[in-house]
Amino acid sequence: DGGITQSPKYLFRKEGQNVTLSCEQNLNHDAMYWYRQDPGQGLRLIYYSQIVNDFQKGDIAEGYSVSREKKESFPLTVTSAQKNPTAFYLCASSIRQVTGANVLTFGAGSRLTVL
Amino acid sequence: SQQGEEDPQALSIQEGENATMNCSYKTSINNLQWYRQNSGRGLVHLILIRSNEREKHSGRLRVTLDTSKKSSSLLITASRAADTASYFCATGLTGGGNKLTFGTGTQLKVEL
Repeated sequence: DGGITQSPKYLFRKEGQNVTLSCEQNLNHDAMYWYRQDPGQGLRLIYYSQIVNDFQKGDIAEGYSVSREKKESFPLTVTSAQKNPTAFYLCASSIRQVTGANVLTFGAGSRLTVL
Repeated sequence: SQQGEEDPQALSIQEGENATMNCSYKTSINNLQWYRQNSGRGLVHLILIRSNEREKHSGRLRVTLDTSKKSSSLLITASRAADTASYFCATGLTGGGNKLTFGTGTQLKVEL
């Protein structure tokens, strides 16, 4: 079955630690995205990548880093510089369209809690 | 920043009734999409409407778009308990490339 796999589903971190969230897709999609979801605030874009070895900052990139070494993978690192990292993190992918509409396929999410 | 704002924030109806959710946005778009999210899960795409379209249907879903008012509505007819979820609008901005900007969502509860 094609889809997006996020891991881990739940993660606990101590303050000052970096953590990396995994996102893998087998949909052959070029574009991948990371969103953060907080209660009552909807989804906010952290980073996105339209092609391998290239990525752009979204609206709330500070304290996060990404890499896109393979088409299938787009890991997100939450660094110690992120002041309020406790949130639900969603990875998504889509075909790459220069213009027009692209439909996102989402993973099941990773819930990060900082203790 | 949030591009879309859904209204109402929460909606509770009885099974069999229709549910209407509204989305307002701020800047020029080339498409608007609606997604559904069950509690603690990822989002699932429901329907897409392009800026040159005014209405689309998909099963029990009806979406309208009024670009002059920068607003959209999602109507779910004959609702079922299984429709209980959060619903988000997402806008693709003119010149915004592949990015989608999501609204704050409407929590729908359908009671038996």
